[in-house]
Amino acid sequence: NAGVTQTPKFQVLKTGQSMTLQCAQDMNHNSMYWYRQDPGMGLRLIYYSASEGTTDKGEVPNGYNVSRLNKREFSLRLESAAPSQTSVYFCAIGDYNQPQHFGDGTRLSIL
Amino acid sequence: QKEVEQNSGPLSVPEGAIASLNCTYSDRGSQSFFWYRQYSGKSPELIMFIYSNGDKEDGRFTAQLNKASQYVSLLIRDSQPSDSATYLCAVSGDSNYQLIWGAGTKLIIKP
Repeated sequence: NAGVTQTPKFQVLKTGQSMTLQCAQDMNHNSMYWYRQDPGMGLRLIYYSASEGTTDKGEVPNGYNVSRLNKREFSLRLESAAPSQTSVYFCAIGDYNQPQHFGDGTRLSIL
Repeated sequence: QKEVEQNSGPLSVPEGAIASLNCTYSDRGSQSFFWYRQYSGKSPELIMFIYSNGDKEDGRFTAQLNKASQYVSLLIRDSQPSDSATYLCAVSGDSNYQLIWGAGTKLIIKP
């Protein structure tokens, strides 16, 4: 999905390890989002950043931290990974009352 | 708790027929409504968005919004096997920076 780049695409971690998921956009949108999607389920919002310099919790923020580094980049950090955090993570971009556009996702497995 | 409800399916439709997907939402204050398509293992892709009561058509797709009854629907005419996917309904939340997501309806188009 041109416009929203997520890295890495796949990752396997051991319980207790930390890692950062990266998201970068080249579409000049103000808002950025991190979601997780578990098998057979819808999207759940972890954190979002309405604009550069602001971040807010979503539905499932526990165990995660975020950084809006600049207008282009929004990272998601797992400080101490747990098996319950095994999921597909999507970064999305958008603006006030506008559609969101998604990256290709990061498939994360925690053993 | 604001909610978006979709029938999980699967909804099976013969090729060439009209597929009708429905979504109800709980927040009367919601202003924007979106339909996304998600193929297995892929990220959600925006198909349609609608802001006003009535119908909005784009090619084979029609989105219908009824704010009084709090439902939004997606019609797919001349259904093709390539339309087989999970369709996600999303509705603007408390903050118009956020979307509330349904769990999705799995659509199967039978040749």
